[in-house]
Formats: sequence, C-alpha cells, structure tokens
Amino acid sequence: QVQLKESGPGLVKPSETLSLTCTVSGAPISNNYWSWIRQPPGQGLEWIGYIYDTEITNYNPSLESRVTISADTSKNQFSLKLTSVTAADTAVYYCAKDYYDSIGYTYFDYWGQGTLVTVSS
Amino acid sequence: SSELTQDPAVSVALGQTVQITCQGDGLRAYYASWYQQKPGQAPILVIYGENNRPSGIPDRFSGSTSRVTASLTITGAQAEDEAYYYCHSRDRRGNHWGLFGGGTKLTVL
Repeated sequence: QVQLKESGPGLVKPSETLSLTCTVSGAPISNNYWSWIRQPPGQGLEWIGYIYDTEITNYNPSLESRVTISADTSKNQFSLKLTSVTAADTAVYYCAKDYYDSIGYTYFDYWGQGTLVTVSS
Repeated sequence: SSELTQDPAVSVALGQTVQITCQGDGLRAYYASWYQQKPGQAPILVIYGENNRPSGIPDRFSGSTSRVTASLTITGAQAEDEAYYYCHSRDRRGNHWGLFGGGTKLTVL
C-alpha cells in the first residue's frame, strides 16, 4: 500500500519561502510521477506541479516563477518550495502520486493527509 | 480553454440516481478522473479512465465521457455519498498541466 505524508512548518511569514516535504512509502520515487496540490480554505483544488523520475518537472503556469519541486531518492521523499508567499498562498497542501499516459489516462491514486500552511506575520 | 467546468451544487433523493458533469477541452485528450472529498479529509479517487473504480469504491459509482463532457453517475445514492466531487484532466495542448474542476457539492436529501 502506498502512503504519503506531508511535513513542514504550518506558519510562514509573508515574502518568505514555504518549504514542504512528502515522505513516500510503498512505492519508489524513481519512475513515478509525484504532484503537489493545494486547497485554500473553503475553495477547490489547484494543481501546483509534478516531478517525474526525480529530474523532470512541470509546473502550473500561474505559479511557475515561484515553484521548485525536487526529489531525494535516498530518503524516498520529494519536496516543494514556494517563494515570496502571500496570504493568498494559505492553503492545505497535499502531495499525491500522479499518473498519466499517452492513451489518455490521468489520475492521482494516492494522497497524503494534507497539511495546512498559513501565511501570516 | 484550459479549464474544467462543474456545476457548483447538485442534490439527489436518497436511493435515486444522480449525474455530475465536467466540461472542458482537455477532455478531448484525457479521460477525466473523479475525486470525492468530505469535510476535513483528503480527496479520494473514485473513477479513472474510461470507467474504472479503484479497489474499495462501491459499484454504484460509474463514469463516462462524450467529446468534451465527462460524467460521474451515482446509481442509488446513499447518505454517505454527500460530499464535494472534483473532476481532473490535463491541458490538451501538450503541456500536460494538471487541471481540476471547481467542484460540485452533492447533497443527498
């Protein structure tokens, strides 16, 4: 069974960098897609970006200038950095195992429990 | 357009059938996947691909796609199905950006 768990500070000051880590068990980081998704309070889901096979990344164009996703195969973890945060970045952040292929299948089959990050001074 | 559109709210009488729809150009290239989210919980995958259910998802959940519209059907809705439902697909212009619909609040009466 694949399990994911987010970790990181729950409070970040405006203009600083939000950093979260997702620890994965039950599946290797390599050769899989891994995404970050967020959900502001009372709102819908927003895809942030993915990392594939520890090197290939793809980001939501609305966040691309501020986002970096990286992976550490030795710890079976992947991480999110979001710079220059504002109150609008306050959200529950989820990590998820991502999948898509050339025949049109795309889905997130495993999710972490989510972690609330509040941007406030 | 790189958006997915869902009705904000839908209601169904207990035991009846309800369809939740999702429209978007990305559905020409990718099948929608559907997620159920209850308050305070992470989303869970209920339908993916042409009409596939992960292990543990009741068979009253089914999916279909026609051109730019994907549908999630619950046949014989139960009280525990009351939740938000989100569709997901990808941008069809080759960028493979992830897209989510705005979500549909399903109320079981």
